[in-house]
Amino acid sequence: GDSVTQMEGPVTLSEEAFLTINCTYTATGYPSLFWYVQYPGEGLQLLLKATKADDKGSNKGFEATYRKETTSFHLEKGSVQVSDSAVYFCALSGSNNNDMRFGAGTRLTVKP
Amino acid sequence: NAGVTQTPKFQVLKTGQSMTLQCAQDMNHEYMSWYRQDPGMGLRLIHYSVGAGITDQGEVPNGYNVSRSTTEDFPLRLLSAAPSQTSVYFCASSYVFRGGELFFGEGSRLTVL
Repeated sequence: GDSVTQMEGPVTLSEEAFLTINCTYTATGYPSLFWYVQYPGEGLQLLLKATKADDKGSNKGFEATYRKETTSFHLEKGSVQVSDSAVYFCALSGSNNNDMRFGAGTRLTVKP
Repeated sequence: NAGVTQTPKFQVLKTGQSMTLQCAQDMNHEYMSWYRQDPGMGLRLIHYSVGAGITDQGEVPNGYNVSRSTTEDFPLRLLSAAPSQTSVYFCASSYVFRGGELFFGEGSRLTVL
């Protein structure tokens, strides 16, 4: 079935460092792809999404491009802040699924 | 604007006890779902509903029961709690069945002793 694999953490960076969190997927058809963020003590919230190949989702300085040829949706940010410390989940929603499929999550800690 | 509201936020149960996690949304979403979050496993779907009166099982439904009598409410019942059900539970809703953004509650942390 459809699935998502994301890089394992935890990831620790210094403020203003470049961030990449890798995400690859397996799916039949043309799924929609998402990145969700979970701040401490809170539920998940949508960070960005892309619904078709070559789409780029962006929000709050984060970007991810839907790459069908490499089945990837890597999350990037050019300069992280302490406030970006959170757990990041890659997810997909496909036409054959009854649910959103989530990766295991990557915990990011940004140190001043 | 409340969004998705879950109660309680924390609960401790003894093995064999039953309880209900409440979930309500005020966005008139037809689709609602329950996930559990366990370390290193992401979120796994327990049950979902595509509208009032309609429910179905997800990936890990055993030991849980749901009902959907109204569009707004989607309670999750633990019939006889087991330590394996210690987890963080999230309720989510969406305006579409597939492909749409999920809106999550803040979570309910359950510990079964």
